[in-house]
Amino acid sequence: QLQLQESGPGLVKPSETLSLTCTVSGGSISSSSYYWGWIRQPPGKGLEWIGSIYYSGSTYYNPSLKSRVTISVDTSKNQFSLKLSSVTAADTAVYYCARQKIGADYWGQGTLVTVSS
Amino acid sequence: DIQMTQSPSSVSASVGDRVTITCRASQGISSWLAWYQQKPGKAPKLLIYAASSLQSGVPSRFSGSGSGTDFTLTISSLQPEDFATYYCQQANSFPALTFGGGTKVEIK
Repeated sequence: QLQLQESGPGLVKPSETLSLTCTVSGGSISSSSYYWGWIRQPPGKGLEWIGSIYYSGSTYYNPSLKSRVTISVDTSKNQFSLKLSSVTAADTAVYYCARQKIGADYWGQGTLVTVSS
Repeated sequence: DIQMTQSPSSVSASVGDRVTITCRASQGISSWLAWYQQKPGKAPKLLIYAASSLQSGVPSRFSGSGSGTDFTLTISSLQPEDFATYYCQQANSFPALTFGGGTKVEIK
């Protein structure tokens, strides 16, 4: 059974960089059929796609976040990572990693990241 | 950018009711649409992909229809475990995704 697990700091200071890693177990991140994505959800609000990566390293970002986002993949560790720079309180959210095809069929449990000094 | 508009934003229903949620895309997306169920404190769960294909393990009371710009999620007989928030998501510009604003299904 495929499992995804987000990890990283739960508290980030304003203007700093948010860094999260998603570890994939029970399957290979190098599957040719899927993209791997980051999606976030501010408290009490809806879902926002942040960006996605293919195992080859090809990336796609939400245009509204593109200038601040970097997603990378480490196939040797079966992990992919998110960096979001210059964070503000508006970036406070639960951050999910997910496996994508037309729909996202496997998700991590989510990790709350709070931006506060 | 493709915008996804869901309606209603909330619906009150009773166990056994038929519930219909609609999702409209700002431009045609063929059948590149998915539906999710989310319960409080949990990750979204994929219910329907490609507009009408039922994800493995999802009860058959859930169904999806539509193509182009107008889509529907139907729960044929609402069960207690179905009270949740539902989201549509377009994948016409895959892997870029856009989600609808959500529909909360509440107990009447």
